[in-house]
Amino acid sequence: DTEVTQTPKHLVMGMTNKKSLKCEQHMGHRAMYWYKQKAKKPPELMFVYSYEKLSINESVPSRFSPECPNSSLLNLHLHALQPEDSALYLCASSQERSGLGEETQYFGPGTRLLVL
Amino acid sequence: AQKVTQAQTEISVVEKEDVTLDCVYETRDTTYYLFWYKQPPSGELVFLIRRNSFDEQNEISGRYSWNFQKSTSSFNFTITASQVVDSAVYFCALNSNSGYALNFGKGTSLLVTP
Repeated sequence: DTEVTQTPKHLVMGMTNKKSLKCEQHMGHRAMYWYKQKAKKPPELMFVYSYEKLSINESVPSRFSPECPNSSLLNLHLHALQPEDSALYLCASSQERSGLGEETQYFGPGTRLLVL
Repeated sequence: AQKVTQAQTEISVVEKEDVTLDCVYETRDTTYYLFWYKQPPSGELVFLIRRNSFDEQNEISGRYSWNFQKSTSSFNFTITASQVVDSAVYFCALNSNSGYALNFGKGTSLLVTP
């Protein structure tokens, strides 16, 4: 079962709101990723968690705060976002057996975020 | 540095036509991995195939086939007898043993009309 789930599917928030995106996988994968995708663009990596530890932060602004409570869950906490942060946020996971570079990443359906 | 080029921005075909999506890559790594993903309008990126740099065997899966040629640094994707459900954006991506992030091409938007 190669399923990654994400909630909510859609989110509208104001610039002063605090919200969280959730991602869950039950494939026993030990690496989890957050990507941001703007319209008509490819996904861009934001964060990588490996064995529940943040291993990669691609210079993402601090208004995005990731959290990995356990090996199956990944959250992205949002605070004081800007309208330009409106995008599709995709979560992915991979096995993390022999290095991230060779692994297949499986993606969730994404959360479409609109910041007003 | 790694780079993936998908020169075709948009392709439109009529149902049952064959269509080939091009992917050209650049990398200095000797071991690398190539991927194709499909992104329908719903947004989910669906994994289609992964190919290792040391395995140039072509792959066929139903109506889908992939042609990997190291000599031309290409990993092209052909859909035979296209269907309306094939309408999506298709991304080619590259990674390597020294990397962690998928390097995506800009994607090719395929529209299949009845």
